[in-house]
Amino acid sequence: SAVISQKPSRDICQRGTSLTIQCQVDSQVTMMFWYRQQPGQSLTLIATANQGSEATYESGFVIDKFPISRPNLTFSTLTVSNMSPEDSSIYLCSVEASWSGELFFGEGSRLTVL
Amino acid sequence: SQQGEEDPQALSIQEGENATMNCSYKTSINNLQWYRQNSGRGLVHLILIRSNEREKHSGRLRVTLDTSKKSSSLLITASRAADTASYFCATDGGTDKLIFGTGTRLQVFP
Repeated sequence: SAVISQKPSRDICQRGTSLTIQCQVDSQVTMMFWYRQQPGQSLTLIATANQGSEATYESGFVIDKFPISRPNLTFSTLTVSNMSPEDSSIYLCSVEASWSGELFFGEGSRLTVL
Repeated sequence: SQQGEEDPQALSIQEGENATMNCSYKTSINNLQWYRQNSGRGLVHLILIRSNEREKHSGRLRVTLDTSKKSSSLLITASRAADTASYFCATDGGTDKLIFGTGTRLQVFP
């Protein structure tokens, strides 16, 4: 299994500001995934982050709004830029177990934008 | 959208009863997975079933998969109040990323 730590666990932000979420894994992993979960909704994949290359974004998500860094095999950050109330969500970092294909998740970062 | 759909959206039962949740998806898959989420926290993996499997058990969980109907079900037997959570199916669509279904909110009353 993999242990994933996310910071911050929650934050209240002002409209127009940006916030960076950190994700630390206790083992080296090839791919890290960032998901968004809007209130009462399911998870939507934002992007896949590979070490040493640019993140791959899903339809509806762009790098200018959600820049991602992946400096090494155990760490990634997701920035939510120029936030609006519509960005209020839980943002979840996850990694895949290469031997099984299951995902391990961090506890999530709950953002509220006023 | 690739997203799978689950039904029911919400389910309320008494402790000791069985809970059944269904998942339908749209594309071919390599595997289907079920996850549990407590109160908006991180998801926990429950079980994975491969496309060539029809049924799988893990403790009180039983998962079935019908690839011809593109559907799966999760059965929780002898439910407990601690099973109260949201349950999501997730499919890979033959790719290396998981797409999650709409989820079922399960409430188990003591």
